Amino acid sequence: GNSVTQMEGPVTLSEEAFLTINCTYTATGYPSLFWYVQYPGEGLQLLLKATKADDKGSNKGFEATYRKETTSFHLEKGSVQVSDSAVYFCALYNQGGKLIFGQGTELSVKP
Amino acid sequence: DTGVSQDPRHKITKRGQNVTFRCDPISEHNRLYWYRQTLGQGPEFLTYFQNEAQLEKSRLLSDRFSAERPKGSFSTLEIQRTEQGDSAMYLCASSLSGGGEGPQHFGDGTRLSIL
Repeated sequence: GNSVTQMEGPVTLSEEAFLTINCTYTATGYPSLFWYVQYPGEGLQLLLKATKADDKGSNKGFEATYRKETTSFHLEKGSVQVSDSAVYFCALYNQGGKLIFGQGTELSVKP
Repeated sequence: DTGVSQDPRHKITKRGQNVTFRCDPISEHNRLYWYRQTLGQGPEFLTYFQNEAQLEKSRLLSDRFSAERPKGSFSTLEIQRTEQGDSAMYLCASSLSGGGEGPQHFGDGTRLSIL
């Protein structure tokens, strides 16, 4: 079946530090991969996506590369800000209509 | 683009009562999804519609749950005889499907608390 596994949080970083949040997936075929971000009390916002192997999604300084050989889609940012504090969800779409989400990784950035 | 709108934002009710939530998708989107999110977890799929047709239901959607999208625009999710375990955030999302699947855009959710 389809599944997504994320590194456990919370992740606590100082402002301007480098961020990596690991995400690996299990799927048949060729899923599309997504990162969503959720701020407190809000719904999920699409952060970036990649639809095929070796694609790199990027937005607001965040990047993730679709690695089929390692079934991974790790999220990275070179210099985090306090405003990046949120919960980040990795997800896959593999036909059938539904997104399959990881459990989420909470990021806390301290000034 | 007004985004996906959900109403109410919060609902507190006693166990055994019925509740109904509404979702208004982005206007040109033909697909509408319902997810449930419990504390500290990622959203779990409940059901989705393409236009007015309900195409898939998760086994999470017990007989007490029913969803409709009568005119292919807004949708309602009803929970009958609520139980403590129904306490969660209920998220709605919409997307445009046709010649490829567009990304799903989420509303801010309805938080349900069962007393």
